Amino acid sequence: DAGVIQSPRHEVTEMGQEVTLRCKPISGHDYLFWYRQTMMRGLELLIYFNNNVPIDDSGMPEDRFSAKMPNASFSTLKIQPSEPRDSAVYFCASSFHREGSPLHFGNGTRLTVT
Amino acid sequence: AQTVTQSQPEMSVQEAETVTLSCTYDTSESNYYLFWYKQPPSRQMILVIRQEAYKQQNATENRFSVNFQKAAKSFSLKISDSQLGDTAMYFCAFMKHRGANNLFFGTGTRLTVIP
Repeated sequence: DAGVIQSPRHEVTEMGQEVTLRCKPISGHDYLFWYRQTMMRGLELLIYFNNNVPIDDSGMPEDRFSAKMPNASFSTLKIQPSEPRDSAVYFCASSFHREGSPLHFGNGTRLTVT
Repeated sequence: AQTVTQSQPEMSVQEAETVTLSCTYDTSESNYYLFWYKQPPSRQMILVIRQEAYKQQNATENRFSVNFQKAAKSFSLKISDSQLGDTAMYFCAFMKHRGANNLFFGTGTRLTVIP
């Protein structure tokens, strides 16, 4: 299994631009999570999906952030317009829908907004 | 709400020695899961070990073992025979027994293995 695949690995963009981060979960996993990692706030959950349906987006910072999961093998996290404070590492993770099933993380996307 | 506390921001250990990383958590749940994840400089989050709260026996994975004290809400990670490749950030994480499998993370401990 190739694991969770995220792209791009690095993204540098200017303030005001649209940014799209992509994720391919592990085949067969029912849950998909988007986390953000910063020095100040650590790892925080942004949103998660169960069987492609968004369940809890209370961690999404504001309306500039949106996430979709059109099918079981693909998800996107979009920021429009981007701001310098959005600079962070964004992780996608997936797991089985079984209690206690561990999350498997992608390699993350490091986003820098100048 | 669940909170996870890692009180040691940084630690170091000599190669081949043993080191213990601390983690405490706060929850009103009686059943849950605890994890340790490793994040090396490559940035990837790697599962180290998993503990089920209703199991008394401490989990072990090769050189990694935990000391799970449910009453004290403590979940420390012991790394034996430390290797240079163990140099990483280590995150303790909590998962509820019921509901979604999302993790609540501590702030991490940066471990450096000194040759």
